[in-house]
Amino acid sequence: QKEVEQDPGPLSVPEGAIVSLNCTYSNSAFQYFMWYRQYSRKGPELLMYTYSSGNKEDGRFTAQVDKSSKYISLFIRDSQPSDSATYLCAMSRGNKLVFGAGTILRVKS
Amino acid sequence: GAGVSQSPSNKVTEKGKDVELRCDPISGHTALYWYRQSLGQGLEFLIYFQGNSAPDKSGLPSDRFSAERTGGSVSTLTIQRTQQEDSAVYLCASSSDSGANVLTFGAGSRLTVL
Repeated sequence: QKEVEQDPGPLSVPEGAIVSLNCTYSNSAFQYFMWYRQYSRKGPELLMYTYSSGNKEDGRFTAQVDKSSKYISLFIRDSQPSDSATYLCAMSRGNKLVFGAGTILRVKS
Repeated sequence: GAGVSQSPSNKVTEKGKDVELRCDPISGHTALYWYRQSLGQGLEFLIYFQGNSAPDKSGLPSDRFSAERTGGSVSTLTIQRTQQEDSAVYLCASSSDSGANVLTFGAGSRLTVL
């Protein structure tokens, strides 16, 4: 079993939809939880990171962490075609960052 | 520099040849990481540097892989006697080691072994 599980998709939604991306994890030692966005042939770029359970909002993006269920989510409101990318969840324990496989998101105009 | 620079951006080589991939991290970032991303796969951790030391090299897949970092800055990942299964994008990232492990990635070096 992988430490971090993420549905690879692809997930296809119409422009303006609310998108929900999710990851589950098995290791309770993870301390920080992050979401990275990766466009084709580019390196991943950090979208958001959180430490504790609860919600964190940044513009159209909301990150949610539920440590009791070992489950994290990223919500994208009013999705745009420019949001089409691969979204990778990541979790850190000590100096190691463990990534999910990434979910491919396609937002259709 | 303004970001993490990697070179070459693309490398095509023949099976059995050695390759060197270079990473120039953000100035002042003490932590440097190498990851590998195969087609349709997530990021696979290879090695972590703190300064010039590598306290965690547990992800290197075989003894054909090695990496070094000099001057607390530039790092080189070397793959000897390349195999077709080494074909992947090799990503370098650096961090100011603030504790949250927030990494800034380069664009990657795409390696194709024929």
